[in-house]
Amino acid sequence: EAGVTQSPTHLIKTRGQQATLRCSPISGHTSVYWYQQALGLGLQFLLWYDEGEERNRGNFPPRFSGRQFPNYSSELNVNALELEDSALYLCASSLWAANQPQHFGDGTRLSIL
Amino acid sequence: KNEVEQSPQNLTAQEGEFITINCSYSVGISALHWLQQHPGGGIVSLFMLSSGKKKHGRLIATINIQEKHSSLHITASHPRDSAVYICAVNYGGGSQGNLIFGKGTKLSVKP
Repeated sequence: EAGVTQSPTHLIKTRGQQATLRCSPISGHTSVYWYQQALGLGLQFLLWYDEGEERNRGNFPPRFSGRQFPNYSSELNVNALELEDSALYLCASSLWAANQPQHFGDGTRLSIL
Repeated sequence: KNEVEQSPQNLTAQEGEFITINCSYSVGISALHWLQQHPGGGIVSLFMLSSGKKKHGRLIATINIQEKHSSLHITASHPRDSAVYICAVNYGGGSQGNLIFGKGTKLSVKP
């Protein structure tokens, strides 16, 4: 069974540009979560999608957005990139039910120059 | 404010030692997770628990709901256990799905 896959592995952008990160969940998982891990900081929750709907959003500005497609894959879009957006972005997936284990991808490392 | 506190922040042990990492949280939760992150960044889910105790190989996780506290124990530690261990919780209500994380405990096991 394939795990959670994320692409690209690395992404280099400049300030003001837009970035798109992609995530494919484990087959059968309907929930997708996005997390940010900035250098020296802990993991922070960004967005949670399930069945194509945004279920919850962390304390991030609106330039962080995303969507979930009918096949349950997901995109995270970051507009007007700022230097502090440099981080490892992790995607996780789970079955939709209360209190399910989350399975993480290897992440996309986004570097802003 | 929903907070997850871990201790210690850093831990160095000799191979074979018994290790304990602690996690406390501030409000009621629906589940607590222990995660392992290796230097490359990949995260592995070790345990998810809402009560009692779970064991997998040399790893044991316990939770005390009344005291809002959980511990992760590693018996007979080995250098390959070196990693960052992260405690995370699911809070109830609309935020039930996503995780809120502690800052992690960096464990280094010396041969």
